[in-house]
Amino acid sequence: EAGVTQFPSHSVIEKGQTVTLRCDPISGHDNLYWYRRVMGKEIKFLLHFVKESKQDESGMPNNRFLAERTGGTYSTLKVQPAELEDSGVYFCASSPRDRGYEQYFGPGTRLTVT
Amino acid sequence: AQTVTQSQPEMSVQEAETVTLSCTYDTSESDYYLFWYKQPPSRQMILVIRQEAYKQQNATENRFSVNFQKAAKSFSLKISDSQLGDAAMYFCAYRRIGNQFYFGTGTSLTVIP
Repeated sequence: EAGVTQFPSHSVIEKGQTVTLRCDPISGHDNLYWYRRVMGKEIKFLLHFVKESKQDESGMPNNRFLAERTGGTYSTLKVQPAELEDSGVYFCASSPRDRGYEQYFGPGTRLTVT
Repeated sequence: AQTVTQSQPEMSVQEAETVTLSCTYDTSESDYYLFWYKQPPSRQMILVIRQEAYKQQNATENRFSVNFQKAAKSFSLKISDSQLGDAAMYFCAYRRIGNQFYFGTGTSLTVIP
């Protein structure tokens, strides 16, 4: 069974540019989560999808971040326009419908905003 | 708000020895899960061990075990017979009802041959 995959693995962009991160969850997992780790700090929750619906987006830092999960499969996280403080590692995780405690993480996307 | 504290940014252990990683958390809830995740360099996080708060027995997975002290809100990870492959960043996490995880800042473990 393929794990959670994320693309790209690393992205370097300039302040003001747009970047789109992609996450492919484990097939059949209804729950999909986005997290972010800023250098040296804790991993913070961004949002949670159940299928294509946003269940909880309380962790989204501001309206420059837009997450979508069309069709309830893969998800994208767009940052527009990117700021320096957006740099960090963005993790995606997925879990089966009724086992939210079983979150499987992807390898992360390292975003560097210069 | 729930917080998870890992007070040891870095730890080291001799191969074959035992090491304990500390984690404390803050919550007003009585039912929750606690986790230890491991992230090897340039690889994805994997679950090491999970503890359910209502279970008094400490969870164990092969060489990994926890010391769960609910009243003290402490959840330490013990790695016995450390191996080179145990070198990684270890994150302690708390999950409240509703699926959101709260993580600590991580402990970087070095295993010395």
